[in-house]
Amino acid sequence: SAVISQKPSRDICQRGTSLTIQCQVDSQVTMMFWYRQQPGQSLTLIATANQGSEATYESGFVIDKFPISRPNLTFSTLTVSNMSPEDSSIYLCSVEGGGTDTQYFGPGTRLTVL
Amino acid sequence: GIQVEQSPPDLILQEGANSTLRCNFSDSVNNLQWFHQNPWGQLINLFYIPSGTKQNGRLSATTVATERYSLLYISSSQTTDSGVYFCAVHPTGGGNKLTFGTGTQLKVEL
Repeated sequence: SAVISQKPSRDICQRGTSLTIQCQVDSQVTMMFWYRQQPGQSLTLIATANQGSEATYESGFVIDKFPISRPNLTFSTLTVSNMSPEDSSIYLCSVEGGGTDTQYFGPGTRLTVL
Repeated sequence: GIQVEQSPPDLILQEGANSTLRCNFSDSVNNLQWFHQNPWGQLINLFYIPSGTKQNGRLSATTVATERYSLLYISSSQTTDSGVYFCAVHPTGGGNKLTFGTGTQLKVEL
C-alpha cells in the first residue's frame, strides 16, 4: 500500500480566490489522480496526472479552473482557481499501489468557500 | 459511461446486527474495490475484488462479474462501522479511471 498525505487538511476561503492543495506519496508512482466529493455526493474524478506530461481532465473539468502540477514521481498539486461556493467540496488525491491497480486515497482536503 | 448503483442508499442497524450491501454495475469491469469512508472523510480500502469471495474479519465481499454485481457483508456490526460504503470499478477499456458508486450511508446504533 501507499502512504499519502495532503495539505491543507481543511480551509475556508473567500470567493474569487485560489487555493493550492498538495499531495505527497511515500513511494514513486506513475499516475496520481485527483477527485472531488461534493457534499453528500459520491466521488468524481477530476483529472489524471502523469509525471512529465500534461494532466488529462475528465469531462466537465478544465485546466483553467483546476490547474495541476506533477513535478516528480512522489508529488502533485491541484489548484482550485477563482473559487465560488459551488467549489465547496472534499478534494482527494489517490495513487495505484501494491502491485495491482488498487487505488489508495489521501486523507482529503475539506474546502469551504464563502 | 458505466453506471454503478448501490443499495440500500441508507441503512440503520443495531449494534451486533448483520447486513448486506449491494453494488450493481452496467458494463463489464476489470476490477472492483470496496471502500469505507469514515465520518472524517478518510477513504479506507476494504477489498480489491474483481471476482470471487474474500473475507477480512467481520467483513466479506463477493463479486460475480458475469452478472455485474458485488456484495459486501458486515457481520456483528459495531458503531465504528458507521460511515459511507462505496464500491468503485475500473470499466473494461476505461484505463485506470475509477468510477464510484452512489454509496450506502450506514449508521450503527447502540
